[in-house]
Amino acid sequence: GAGVSQSPSNKVTEKGKDVELRCDPISGHTALYWYRQSLGQGLEFLIYFQGNSAPDKSGLPSDRFSAERTGGSVSTLTIQRTQQEDSAVYLCASSSWDIPSSYEQYFGPGTRLTVT
Amino acid sequence: LAKTTQPISMDSYEGQEVNITCSHNNIATNDYITWYQQFPSQGPRFIIQGYKTKVTNEVASLFIPADRKSSTLSLPRVSLSDTAVYYCLVGLLGSARQLTFGSGTQLTVLP
Repeated sequence: GAGVSQSPSNKVTEKGKDVELRCDPISGHTALYWYRQSLGQGLEFLIYFQGNSAPDKSGLPSDRFSAERTGGSVSTLTIQRTQQEDSAVYLCASSSWDIPSSYEQYFGPGTRLTVT
Repeated sequence: LAKTTQPISMDSYEGQEVNITCSHNNIATNDYITWYQQFPSQGPRFIIQGYKTKVTNEVASLFIPADRKSSTLSLPRVSLSDTAVYYCLVGLLGSARQLTFGSGTQLTVLP
């Protein structure tokens, strides 16, 4: 079946503009995660959705970042008033919570965001 | 949140067995240990997960001592295509506590 998809694959924006990044998780996966990865760095957790529960937003770096997940499926990460330090690859992952699953996360290819 | 420590980089030659050790001294009772592999310009890919003793799958083995304060990912007979960054994660399954990837170990396999 189809894996996690993300769009756009690349996004170049001017400082101060808003951007929206989209993630389509694997069908039936109830958990969805957003990370960002700066060049040469590890992954930084941003936000985590699980079913209908309130999302875990503990990783969002500022109030310029927000995310929503509609209908328990597609998710959109929005960055308002982008800054140059927001430049990174934004990765989305999904996982299934069906027992005896290991909660393995399946990652998308990422969106490379460049803020000029 | 269990902090993990891994070597920054390792080199190996094709056909050798590679062991990457991760230290996690403050692992909690219910925490699991998970390893991911990441190639350049790709998202990480799950390799293996375990709680204690030894876990083996078709690509790797995971050794966890009784005190669980460390774990070792073992890759048998590596090839050039195993060159990647390997991340060790420790945390409660399905929670944000699992989601700290750290800097990982850059494994370079040489011909």
